[in-house]
Amino acid sequence: QSALTQPASVSGSPGQSITISCAGTNSDIGAYDFVSWYQQHPGKAPKLIIYDVTNRPSGVSSRFSGSKSGNTASLTISGLQVDDEADYYCSSHTSRGLHWVFGGGTRLAVL
Amino acid sequence: EVQLVESGGGVVQPGGSLRLSCAASGFTFSSYEMNWVRQAPGKGLEWISYIDRPGNNVDYVDSVKGRFTTSRDNAEKSLSLQMNSLRAEDTAVYYCARELFTSGFDLWGQGTLVTVSS
Repeated sequence: QSALTQPASVSGSPGQSITISCAGTNSDIGAYDFVSWYQQHPGKAPKLIIYDVTNRPSGVSSRFSGSKSGNTASLTISGLQVDDEADYYCSSHTSRGLHWVFGGGTRLAVL
Repeated sequence: EVQLVESGGGVVQPGGSLRLSCAASGFTFSSYEMNWVRQAPGKGLEWISYIDRPGNNVDYVDSVKGRFTTSRDNAEKSLSLQMNSLRAEDTAVYYCARELFTSGFDLWGQGTLVTVSS
């Protein structure tokens, strides 16, 4: 069981927007603004797409955005594209004896 | 080119040992904290180890404490993971990852597969 809770799957059509939630506790997401999101295509290494809750690394599309409210973080992808089909993982710094915890991952299908 | 390249994975029997390496290039390795993250087949990501910039402070997830040892050589720009007393549940792709000043992991290697099986 992962420390952070994500939905197993979400889906959307090209051009639509989707939001993936990531539920934590007041020892991780609720305690720090160090939430990050990763995109992973099959057989590839994860890629950082959001850090510090809302920031995008250079080169990441502005269609990806992040937010946080209380103990829950969210990733929104707007203007869905076929290439967005991938697994998405949230992560947070934690005070519970670990440096980082991950969510279980969400598989995005672009139908 | 800025990159991390892991090596050392393979098949090992339960109770055996393996040493993974991660070679860094294209950036000032000594300026970054480093981590190991693993992914079991068909499963999600799991953080397993952290090491600070000089290599003095190391931390592990409980499931590998006492069995795995992380170290680094800043002169050689390399990170290592010594894995002892391996178990079937350690079977995974192991990634080394550069930490972006507590903000997340901004650079990942391609991963190396470790299979623990008799």
